[in-house]
Amino acid sequence: GQNIDQPTEMTATEGAIVQINCTYQTSGFNGLFWYQQHAGEAPTFLSYNVLDGLEEKGRFSSFLSRSKGYSYLLLKELQMKDSASYLCAVRGLNTNAGKSTFGDGTTLTVKP
Amino acid sequence: GAGVSQSPSNKVTEKGKDVELRCDPISGHTALYWYRQSLGQGLEFLIYFQGNSAPDKSGLPSDRFSAERTGGSVSTLTIQRTQQEDSAVYLCASSFDQTSYEQYFGPGTRLTVT
Repeated sequence: GQNIDQPTEMTATEGAIVQINCTYQTSGFNGLFWYQQHAGEAPTFLSYNVLDGLEEKGRFSSFLSRSKGYSYLLLKELQMKDSASYLCAVRGLNTNAGKSTFGDGTTLTVKP
Repeated sequence: GAGVSQSPSNKVTEKGKDVELRCDPISGHTALYWYRQSLGQGLEFLIYFQGNSAPDKSGLPSDRFSAERTGGSVSTLTIQRTQQEDSAVYLCASSFDQTSYEQYFGPGTRLTVT
């Protein structure tokens, strides 16, 4: 099975940088996703990592270390609109490729 | 084209009744996914379809839950004899196929069982 851990809540200041960590233990790994979910809305895709290393996309970057079962999402130049829940999810392997297992999400609050 | 749509947006039902939730994926997307999200929780995988086939039904919580997809498009999730613990937001997503990593989510159906 899959076990995914991420902090429940984080707070940061507008303009700052925040790193949201995610650790996972899996029986089969085929990539890791990060999604953003604003309150009352559906999740939206942020990033997907399947190889080790850093993927940068504008203000958001995502890092993966498969050997350590570890990922982080880095948000730079924080804006008030970045206040949301950030979901880490692991994708299954082979016949489970369509199955993604999600963590409980990290609620980020950005303060002025 | 249009995004993923779901209906109804809200459903209140009495314990013991059956409910049917509908999902219309993005046109051309062959993979379709159902998730459940309880308040303050992450997404719980229920089932996914590649075309009309469901390779993985392992997430369905009990035999009261079933899903089907016909014509490779619309999918319905049926919950029989609803229980209060079934109250949650049911989210549907679609992707080009099951190997595509980006899933596009619908707005969800908020189910309340009284």
